[in-house]
Amino acid sequence: KNQVEQSPQSLIILEGKNCTLQCNYTVSPFSNLRWYKQDTGRGPVSLTIMTFSENTKSNGRYTATLDADTKQSSLHITASQLSDSASYICVVSEEGNNRLAFGKGNQVVVIP
Amino acid sequence: NAGVTQTPKFRILKIGQSMTLQCTQDMNHNYMYWYRQDPGMGLKLIYYSVGAGITDKGEVPNGYNVSRSTTEDFPLRLELAAPSQTSVYFCASNSIDRANVLTFGAGSRLTVL
Repeated sequence: KNQVEQSPQSLIILEGKNCTLQCNYTVSPFSNLRWYKQDTGRGPVSLTIMTFSENTKSNGRYTATLDADTKQSSLHITASQLSDSASYICVVSEEGNNRLAFGKGNQVVVIP
Repeated sequence: NAGVTQTPKFRILKIGQSMTLQCTQDMNHNYMYWYRQDPGMGLKLIYYSVGAGITDKGEVPNGYNVSRSTTEDFPLRLELAAPSQTSVYFCASNSIDRANVLTFGAGSRLTVL
């Protein structure tokens, strides 16, 4: 069973609208959680990192939240742009080693 | 500073052929990784290296080999290509002090026919 589950698998949104992506994990002990953006045909690029003590962190129009008690994270995209069309991958790091667990990604398509 | 550079970007192989995917990084990172990404699936770790001369298997190492003779280079070798190895391959690296901040290459799309 995958240790990181993301939902929805894919979604289509209108330009200018907001959306929220979900990431649930079972990795333990938890070290940190990172959201990556992967444009089509490119490698993933880091958006934000969340450690155990952090509840929310923003990077421009991207806001990530973390609830370490329920082992859930979300990535909120505000006022979406066409360039936001990408796959968003949730990656959770295990404490004490360099082991990473990858989600399958949320595929976002922004249409004009 | 080019980051992580992978070559080739695309390749078509016949079953049984061999090839090497090249990966080099210029950030002096200790850790390097090879992942494969299949459609609708998460990244799967093939092999990783924690430094020159040290390599170890990931989740899906069968059919692949690696070497790490220098800090900069981490080539991935396919000895007898099989259709199941059709995938997009990503090389990545990070440093010890920023273990979860991976820098990825642009990917190498391999098709085995």
